[in-house]
Amino acid sequence: DQQVKQNSPSLSVQEGRISILNCDYTNSMFDYFLWYKKYPAEGPTFLISISSIKDKNEDGRFTVFLNKSAKHLSLHIVPSQPGDSAVYFCAATLNYGGSQGNLIFGKGTKLSVKP
Amino acid sequence: DAGITQSPRHKVTETGTPVTLRCHQTENHRYMYWYRQDPGHGLRLIHYSYGVKDTDKGEVSDGYSVSRSKTEDFLLTLESATSSQTSVYFCAISETANTEAFFGQGTRLTVV
Repeated sequence: DQQVKQNSPSLSVQEGRISILNCDYTNSMFDYFLWYKKYPAEGPTFLISISSIKDKNEDGRFTVFLNKSAKHLSLHIVPSQPGDSAVYFCAATLNYGGSQGNLIFGKGTKLSVKP
Repeated sequence: DAGITQSPRHKVTETGTPVTLRCHQTENHRYMYWYRQDPGHGLRLIHYSYGVKDTDKGEVSDGYSVSRSKTEDFLLTLESATSSQTSVYFCAISETANTEAFFGQGTRLTVV
C-alpha cells in the first residue's frame, strides 16, 4: 500500500502564476518530509524540506506547508517560471527503530509551466 | 554537487545473468540507498544501508541483494536478471536519516 501519494500525475500553469503541488501520506510516524525536482535523464535534486514540528518552511520562491492532522503537505512555487517544468517528487522518512532512514517517495507530479 | 558516482551509466544484459551496479561516494555519508524509477511508479526503494555492513530491505527488494563493505561503496546485485528489472537505477546518500538525500546520475539497465 502506498504510504506517500501524489494524486495528480500532471499540472499545467502559466508563467508568473502560482503552482501548487500536493502530497498525502498515510503513516503518522513520518517525521521529515522533502520535495525533489527531476529533469529528464538526470538524478532527482533536493528542493526543500520540512520537519514534522513545523507547519511551514520557505526558501525563495518555494514554500512547503505541512498539515499533520490531515496528513497532507503541499509545495507552492511563486512565481512559476518555465525552468520549473520538471517532475516533482514528495518524500517522507521516519526516524525510529529499525526503519530509520527509510526514505519513501510518491509517484511524482509533472509540472509544465507555459510561457 | 555531492560526490556520487554510479557505474556503469548504461548496461544491456541478457536474462538470467548476474549484474552488479556500483555506487561510490566521497562525502563520507552514513546512509546510502538504491532506488529504481519506472513509469507510473515513481521512485521505489530497493535496499538501503545505514552503515558499513548494515543494510535493510525496501519496498521492492525481491531479486536484488546489496553489500556495503566500505563507507564509500554500496553495491547492488541482480542475482539473475529478468526483463522486469529493466529500469533506471538511482543511488542516493544522506548524512543522517533526517537530512536531504543526494542522488547520483542514474544507471539505465536493459535486460533482453
